[in-house]
Amino acid sequence: GQSLEQPSEVTAVEGAIVQINCTYQTSGFYGLSWYQQHDGGAPTFLSYNALDGLEETGRFSSFLSRSDSYGYLLLQELQMKDSASYFCAAAISSGSARQLTFGSGTQLTVLP
Amino acid sequence: SQTIHQWPATLVQPVGSPLSLECTVEGTSNPNLYWYRQAAGRGLQLLFYSIGIDQISSEVPQNLSASRPQDRQFILSSKKLLLSDSGFYLCARKGTAGNTIYFGEGSWLTVV
Repeated sequence: GQSLEQPSEVTAVEGAIVQINCTYQTSGFYGLSWYQQHDGGAPTFLSYNALDGLEETGRFSSFLSRSDSYGYLLLQELQMKDSASYFCAAAISSGSARQLTFGSGTQLTVLP
Repeated sequence: SQTIHQWPATLVQPVGSPLSLECTVEGTSNPNLYWYRQAAGRGLQLLFYSIGIDQISSEVPQNLSASRPQDRQFILSSKKLLLSDSGFYLCARKGTAGNTIYFGEGSWLTVV
């Protein structure tokens, strides 16, 4: 089956750097996405890695290593508003459509 | 811009009652569409995906069904709700670039 593992909780202080890891076991893998979800809201897209290496978007960066079936989301200069759940999601090919299979999410708490 | 509309945003339904959640997409034609469910504090579970009108694939067998009567309309239904159907239901569409998806605002369902 398809599975993604990520830590359930991470806590950090404002201004710090935090890394959220994600390991996956999937077939038909195309790439790894990251989503942010605040309490009561819908997930919003943060980044997508199709190739190995680092993708940078402002304070957020995402990394993928296909050989290690591993990726991470790096959040720099943490702000209180970054407190949210973060999901990694593997883009896979299943039948006639591409799908996303999600991890269980990491609850990030940013402390003042 | 491509927009996803979901309604109703929240609803409370008794056990055994029917359900209909509607999703419409604007700004794109022939999108791949998805229904996800998120139980409280959990990850996202893919329920159905559709690559076109009347083309529906089910990922998880259960008492829910989906229909796509029009290109930009995706409906999630149930004839008889169970308590375990409570959750946050999200409609999503595949992005035009990259293997990622974008979510609507979601519908909160509480079955009592």
